[in-house]
Amino acid sequence: NAGVTQTPKFQVLKTGQSMTLQCAQDMNHNSMYWYRQDPGMGLRLIYYSASEGTTDKGEVPNGYNVSRLNKREFSLRLESAAPSQTSVYFCATGGVHNEKLFFGSGTQLSVL
Amino acid sequence: TQLLEQSPQFLSIQEGENLTVYCNSSSVFSSLQWYRQEPGEGPVLLVTVVTGGEVKKLKRLTFQFGDARKDSSLHITAAQPGDTGLYLCAGHNAGNMLTFGGGTRLMVKP
Repeated sequence: NAGVTQTPKFQVLKTGQSMTLQCAQDMNHNSMYWYRQDPGMGLRLIYYSASEGTTDKGEVPNGYNVSRLNKREFSLRLESAAPSQTSVYFCATGGVHNEKLFFGSGTQLSVL
Repeated sequence: TQLLEQSPQFLSIQEGENLTVYCNSSSVFSSLQWYRQEPGEGPVLLVTVVTGGEVKKLKRLTFQFGDARKDSSLHITAAQPGDTGLYLCAGHNAGNMLTFGGGTRLMVKP
């Protein structure tokens, strides 16, 4: 079992370019999350999906869109990347009642 | 607005020393978790505390949840280089969403 798999591991974009971050989990969890991590800011929730077919905004959703493709996959899209979106992005999935989050290993994104 | 404040932000100590990391908030949380994150990896859950005043021990790590469920502490006894990492506290609010603190970056020198 891989747990939570994120791709790519690293990405460099120019301002205005678009890209999609992929996340897949094999833990059969209903809930999936996208966080961004910036120095000194901890992890901030971008979007989440409580179950297949539903998505909701988190704390910092502006500039992002998400798709819950099926129970396993939850993707994050940047339509027009900005330097302020330079960050490390983590996908996570939660167990029953979100008692524990399992994280992927992250995507380091730089927007020039 | 960051609801959970962690202190200190950075801590560099020698192997064998003791240390305490604090996580404070003005909000009440139904439960609080501590995660440890190593470079290039996602956070990994260490413990969840649920009851006010609760103390949990994980080998040399002692976690405490404040009586009012607004704060928590992590104490490490006789720190080792393997304890080096970023320690994050995270609280579950009434909507069961998890809010993370800013983290404490710990370096233990041999």
